[in-house]
Amino acid sequence: EAGVTQFPSHSVIEKGQTVTLRCDPISGHDNLYWYRRVMGKEIKFLLHFVKESKQDESGMPNNRFLAERTGGTYSTLKVQPAELEDSGVYFCASSAPGTGFLSSGANVLTFGAGSRLTVL
Amino acid sequence: SQQGEEDPQALSIQEGENATMNCSYKTSINNLQWYRQNSGRGLVHLILIRSNEREKHSGRLRVTLDTSKKSSSLLITASRAADTASYFCATAKVNTGFQKLVFGTGTRLLVSP
Repeated sequence: EAGVTQFPSHSVIEKGQTVTLRCDPISGHDNLYWYRRVMGKEIKFLLHFVKESKQDESGMPNNRFLAERTGGTYSTLKVQPAELEDSGVYFCASSAPGTGFLSSGANVLTFGAGSRLTVL
Repeated sequence: SQQGEEDPQALSIQEGENATMNCSYKTSINNLQWYRQNSGRGLVHLILIRSNEREKHSGRLRVTLDTSKKSSSLLITASRAADTASYFCATAKVNTGFQKLVFGTGTRLLVSP
């Protein structure tokens, strides 16, 4: 089975430009997450989709970030306009349907390799 | 505030030695998971321990959980050069309908041949 794939693996843009990151989760995984790691810091939660619905977007930094998951399949994360502090590695992860509820047991995530964003 | 904090930030050992990494957290949890990240790769799930468990083993990995101290440790026995990676603990918080995994800053482990 194919894993979680992310594109691009690395993007270098100038401040003020726009970048769109894409994530293809494991087929059939309803849960899709975006995380970000800024140099040397913690891996920070951004948001969580259940199918096409945003379940939790409490970690989104500001309104320059827009995440979508049309049709409940792949997801995109757009940063517009990009700022220097947006540089980091953006990870996407997915997990099987029915997991993630507190009553259903553990929620084990499968991660993509990440998209490294460098804003100059 | 950061939920999971790993300690030490970096650890350098020789092959064959044991490596111990610690994780502290602040709020009540449903379960705690450890993940590994090799350079340039995504995180890979290693082991999960539930809040009602105290110790768990998987191959050369041993995880302990002390909910009274809000801490966990990951022990890798007989380390190999291939164990070189960053290790992260992730806690699943209790007070949300969905489990949200909160990660720490990680421990960078270097195992020298």
